[in-house]
Amino acid sequence: AQKVTQAQTEISVVEKEDVTLDCVYETRDTTYYLFWYKQPPSGELVFLIRRNSFDEQNEISGRYSWNFQKSTSSFNFTITASQVVDSAVYFCALSALYNAGNMLTFGGGTRLMVKP
Amino acid sequence: EAQVTQNPRYLITVTGKKLTVTCSQNMNHEYMSWYRQDPGLGLRQIYYSMNVEVTDKGDVPEGYKVSRKEKRNFPLILESPSPNQTSLYFCASSHGTAYTGELFFGEGSRLTVL
Repeated sequence: AQKVTQAQTEISVVEKEDVTLDCVYETRDTTYYLFWYKQPPSGELVFLIRRNSFDEQNEISGRYSWNFQKSTSSFNFTITASQVVDSAVYFCALSALYNAGNMLTFGGGTRLMVKP
Repeated sequence: EAQVTQNPRYLITVTGKKLTVTCSQNMNHEYMSWYRQDPGLGLRQIYYSMNVEVTDKGDVPEGYKVSRKEKRNFPLILESPSPNQTSLYFCASSHGTAYTGELFFGEGSRLTVL
């Protein structure tokens, strides 16, 4: 079975601080994809990034960056210079090939609160 | 505009009264799926469909039914709702499968079963 753990249920920071959201995953498969989704207070789910298991290069998109480390089965998400608009619940998710690509397993989510 | 549309967005019902949550997508996606979101548990998959007339169980299928008679529609049916089905439900679609594709989510349907 596959599993995603987001140990931080809630994080509170002050605007402009950097913050890292942790994600640890488990899968028996060597071929898989990892995702991050954002759920702002309005409730919709917004796709942020997809990374396949063969690409361990870190990725940066503006203030967002992702650190994928297969050795520790982690796919952490860092927001640099956080802003109030970053306040949301963030979900890490995993999809593995052995599941025939049919199931996306989500972590429990991390609620990020950015205070002005 | 590309979108996944769910209805109703909010519903309060009573135990045992059958209800259907509709889901429709206009992107010609093959893959559609239903998730429920509960505090601390993230999103858990209920059912998914790889294409018309092809459906299969996810992690938490008990108490739910689905059908996929047309590519664009994937309704979620609660034949006899119970209070433990009170949750926030999301429908999602993707081109191909959930394995590689970005999932497009509906806005969610908040269901309360009394």
